[in-house]
Amino acid sequence: NAGVTQTPKFQVLKTGQSMTLQCAQDMNHNSMYWYRQDPGMGLRLIYYSASEGTTDKGEVPNGYNVSRLNKREFSLRLESAAPSQTSVYFCASRGTGVTNEKLFFGSGTQLSVL
Amino acid sequence: DQQVKQNSPSLSVQEGRISILNCDYTNSMFDYFLWYKKYPAEGPTFLISISSIKDKNEDGRFTVFLNKSAKHLSLHIVPSQPGDSAVYFCAAPHPGGRRALTFGSGTRLQVQP
Repeated sequence: NAGVTQTPKFQVLKTGQSMTLQCAQDMNHNSMYWYRQDPGMGLRLIYYSASEGTTDKGEVPNGYNVSRLNKREFSLRLESAAPSQTSVYFCASRGTGVTNEKLFFGSGTQLSVL
Repeated sequence: DQQVKQNSPSLSVQEGRISILNCDYTNSMFDYFLWYKKYPAEGPTFLISISSIKDKNEDGRFTVFLNKSAKHLSLHIVPSQPGDSAVYFCAAPHPGGRRALTFGSGTRLQVQP
């Protein structure tokens, strides 16, 4: 029972490089999310996808793009990495229904931009 | 502006004693709250939630209390165990209707053997 799987677990980039963070869930969830965690700031929402083919900006979307490839996969792309994007990135998913309020998280990607 | 605030970055307690983690919120329209637990190098995992129509929810050693008039919730862990050492986040529905969650900044709990 994998849940939410993120790759890679660690990545070091130079300023200006690009990369894509991958996320897949096997729980048949409609909603998927990307968060970043920074010291003293909790988790902040970058982008959100309510269903396949739809995406929406969160609190901190600048410098990022996303793709909801299908129901299972939601990727996050950094087109030109900046040191301010050094962070831990978490993908999450959520089931449907008014009682399904909790998010399920992947184990994270630790990204350093030099 | 953070709508969910955890003002204590860290807390240290002795094994067997009670741990009390606090969270304040600003939006009186929140209709539920959650607590997540996070170990190093892992993602946050759901711990316990409470609906705004309740003032208490209990699950084993974990109890969440909600004081709506004070816009305050707390997580009680009794008795505390070394395995409870982690970062705890409180969370509420994200503003904007995205069915996401907004999180506090977290409290690092250390339970001393």
